[in-house]
Amino acid sequence: AQKVTQAQTEISVVEKEDVTLDCVYETRDTTYYLFWYKQPPSGELVFLIRRNSFDEQNEISGRYSWNFQKSTSSFNFTITASQVVDSAVYFCALSEANFNKFYFGSGTKLNVKP
Amino acid sequence: EAGVAQSPRYKIIEKRQSVAFWCNPISGHATLYWYQQILGQGPKLLIQFQNNGVVDDSQLPKDRFSAERLKGVDSTLKIQPAKLEDSAVYLCASSLSQLEEKLFFGSGTQLSVL
Repeated sequence: AQKVTQAQTEISVVEKEDVTLDCVYETRDTTYYLFWYKQPPSGELVFLIRRNSFDEQNEISGRYSWNFQKSTSSFNFTITASQVVDSAVYFCALSEANFNKFYFGSGTKLNVKP
Repeated sequence: EAGVAQSPRYKIIEKRQSVAFWCNPISGHATLYWYQQILGQGPKLLIQFQNNGVVDDSQLPKDRFSAERLKGVDSTLKIQPAKLEDSAVYLCASSLSQLEEKLFFGSGTQLSVL
């Protein structure tokens, strides 16, 4: 069965600190996709990144970076030099090969204080 | 480009009452999803439509929940009768097609059942 675990319920940091959000997944599929979504206070989830199971290259996009390790079934998300606007709930998700079903973790609430 | 529209934004009802939510996806998006997000949890898929046909409703409590997308555009989700445990945010999402990785979410309808 597919499962996504985000063990960190809530994290608080001070602006400009780096922060890493953990995501561990379970799946028996060989082809799958991993995602991160951001949910600001307004409510709508915003797509951040997608990774397929065959691509373990880390990715960097501005202050955001993602570390995908199949050996530990983890897909962690790091924000460098955090800003107050980064405050949100972040969800890690797993989908089957055809994107037919998405399995979301329980989310990590990030509080960035000025 | 207009996003996914949902209404109402908030709804408070008493248990055993009925309630309906409306969603208008992004123009041209063939696939529409309804998710239930209970406080502190990640979104859980209730039903997925491809145009006006149901792709997956395996997690929809069909004894009380119903959904339709008659013309393959906007959709309504109904709960009748509501229970206390239905209190949640109901999120609508859409994507260009069933094989599209990126979901676009609305801001959701926050339902409180008293």
